Amino acid sequence: GQNIDQPTEMTATEGAIVQINCTYQTSGFNGLFWYQQHAGEAPTFLSYNVLDGLEEKGRFSSFLSRSKGYSYLLLKELQMKDSASYLCAVMDSNYQLIWGAGTKLIIKP
Amino acid sequence: GAVVSQHPSRVICKSGTSVKIECRSLDFQATTMFWYRQFPKQSLMLMATSNEGSKATYEQGVEKDKFLINHASLTLSTLTVTSAHPEDSSFYICSARFGQQQETQYFGPGTRLLVL
Repeated sequence: GQNIDQPTEMTATEGAIVQINCTYQTSGFNGLFWYQQHAGEAPTFLSYNVLDGLEEKGRFSSFLSRSKGYSYLLLKELQMKDSASYLCAVMDSNYQLIWGAGTKLIIKP
Repeated sequence: GAVVSQHPSRVICKSGTSVKIECRSLDFQATTMFWYRQFPKQSLMLMATSNEGSKATYEQGVEKDKFLINHASLTLSTLTVTSAHPEDSSFYICSARFGQQQETQYFGPGTRLLVL
């Protein structure tokens, strides 16, 4: 079967750095996505990785290792507004998105 | 980025009634639209995929007669929850795509449905 695993919840301090991991097992691979979802709102796109390596976009970076079926989202200089759920999703060989359950990130002052 | 709207944003209805949710791509033509359902503290669950002018493709376990999807134009798709029951209460999110690349998929703001 196909599955995406990520931690259920993480806590970090304002101004610090946090890394949210995601491992996956899917039938085929056409890219890995990270989305941010605030409570009661729809997801918003953060990043897309299809090749191995690190993609940096401001305070957020995303890493992918296809051979290990592993990705992480790195958030630097955490702000209170970063408190949200972070969803990892993989596009399989049929261009279907397989979603992880999301990681709820709690930022403390 | 492109804008997708949903209407209504929130709806409360009585058990047994039908509810229609609209999803519109405001500034682009969506070749494909997706309907998701999300229960509290759970991930998005794809319900169906619809292409303009053709029947929707439903995911396993989703009743097509209960969740009617009409993709009448390249900018509008509707989801009708027929004979709604309390267990249908959920957050319904649509997304629209204009191409094969996932980066071109944009999410609507979601519709929170509460069935009493």
